[in-house]
Amino acid sequence: TQLLEQSPQFLSIQEGENLTVYCNSSSVFSSLQWYRQEPGEGPVLLVTVVTGGEVKKLKRLTFQFGDARKDSSLHITAAQPGDTGLYLCAGLRDNYGQNFVFGPGTRLSVLP
Amino acid sequence: EAGVTQSPTHLIKTRGQQATLRCSPISGHTSVYWYQQALGLGLQFLLWYDEGEERNRGNFPPRFSGRQFPNYSSELNVNALELEDSALYLCASSLGTGFLRGYTFGSGTRLTVV
Repeated sequence: TQLLEQSPQFLSIQEGENLTVYCNSSSVFSSLQWYRQEPGEGPVLLVTVVTGGEVKKLKRLTFQFGDARKDSSLHITAAQPGDTGLYLCAGLRDNYGQNFVFGPGTRLSVLP
Repeated sequence: EAGVTQSPTHLIKTRGQQATLRCSPISGHTSVYWYQQALGLGLQFLLWYDEGEERNRGNFPPRFSGRQFPNYSSELNVNALELEDSALYLCASSLGTGFLRGYTFGSGTRLTVV
């Protein structure tokens, strides 16, 4: 059983389209992070959110943490081929243990 | 600054053998984390080392073990290899607990057990 669920599992869109991917859990997280992983590489941190309802923007990417701190979304505006990759969310349930739980990821393909 | 480095990049072993994977964290990072990324299963937490001590381990059998050296580099050892151990093994380091700044990952070691 996955502690974090991500949807959709796969997404293929055309350049210029908008998209939203989701990260959901029945557990509360003290911190949630989004990473992007490209083939042959390790995940790279995009953002950290810690406050319920928090919204962060990173150029064309908008991240939102749910009010109850159980879910998050990532919205990409005007997607580009360079956005292609595996998007992973990772949640920290509490400060004890200090290991993030990762979701299975959304594999995004942006076609030119 | 140099990132997290892992070696080797690829490793092929036969069932029953032992594998040793190595990781050097970013300079100044004292925490090292090991994750297994198997196809279709996402990243599964293996081990966390900080200041030379094992602080936490994931739900893996004891044949997965490791250590952290005084220079904060780390080794992951997998004994009695099984076919299902084939995966990408990722090492990450963090400044402090990673709570706000997240992890910096290496590019991983691809372990294939045949």
